[in-house]
Amino acid sequence: DSGVTQTPKHLITATGQRVTLRCSPRSGDLSVYWYQQSLDQGLQFLIQYYNGEERAKGNILERFSAQQFPDLHSELNLSSLELGDSALYFCASSPVGTGTGELFFGEGSRLTVL
Amino acid sequence: KNEVEQSPQNLTAQEGEFITINCSYSVGISALHWLQQHPGGGIVSLFMLSSGKKKHGRLIATINIQEKHSSLHITASHPRDSAVYICAVRDSNYQLIWGAGTKLIIKP
Repeated sequence: DSGVTQTPKHLITATGQRVTLRCSPRSGDLSVYWYQQSLDQGLQFLIQYYNGEERAKGNILERFSAQQFPDLHSELNLSSLELGDSALYFCASSPVGTGTGELFFGEGSRLTVL
Repeated sequence: KNEVEQSPQNLTAQEGEFITINCSYSVGISALHWLQQHPGGGIVSLFMLSSGKKKHGRLIATINIQEKHSSLHITASHPRDSAVYICAVRDSNYQLIWGAGTKLIIKP
């Protein structure tokens, strides 16, 4: 158990819909990273938050947004969903924001868009 | 050319064999991570290295900063070691650059 909690574990929805994925980092970890992994693909970095502020942005689509709340949990919002958004979405937390710390991954949220 | 290259892409071995997975990178790094992703999808961080060698149980990770190369070794491999092993490096901007992964299958 990494200490990182992601909900929901599985989500099936239709094209055009909007979903919210939630991540609770390890206790005390200030950084949260979001990654997307499409079928048989590597991990694609989406966005990083550190102590409530956006720290780094990767290949995140404009239809996607994220935020980190004062209690350090984070949400990833995916809107106007397309079939190609079907993927595993991972959240990872780290104690530091500079990227020198170890990463701890959640179990992932599997999104299926029909 | 990718900034992080892993080899081999796929590896099948018999139980008990000594396994080596390689990772080469072309950028300056502050750290290198080895991670394991099981068939169910969960990702576990195995090692974070900036120099030398680390050992945890049957797993050993080494890094040669001058040669920009790291290896992950598994001794006395077991079918439960079957997974995708991913190398990722932190560049000078502290961004993670991911390798494509090595799919390892250990047959009983």
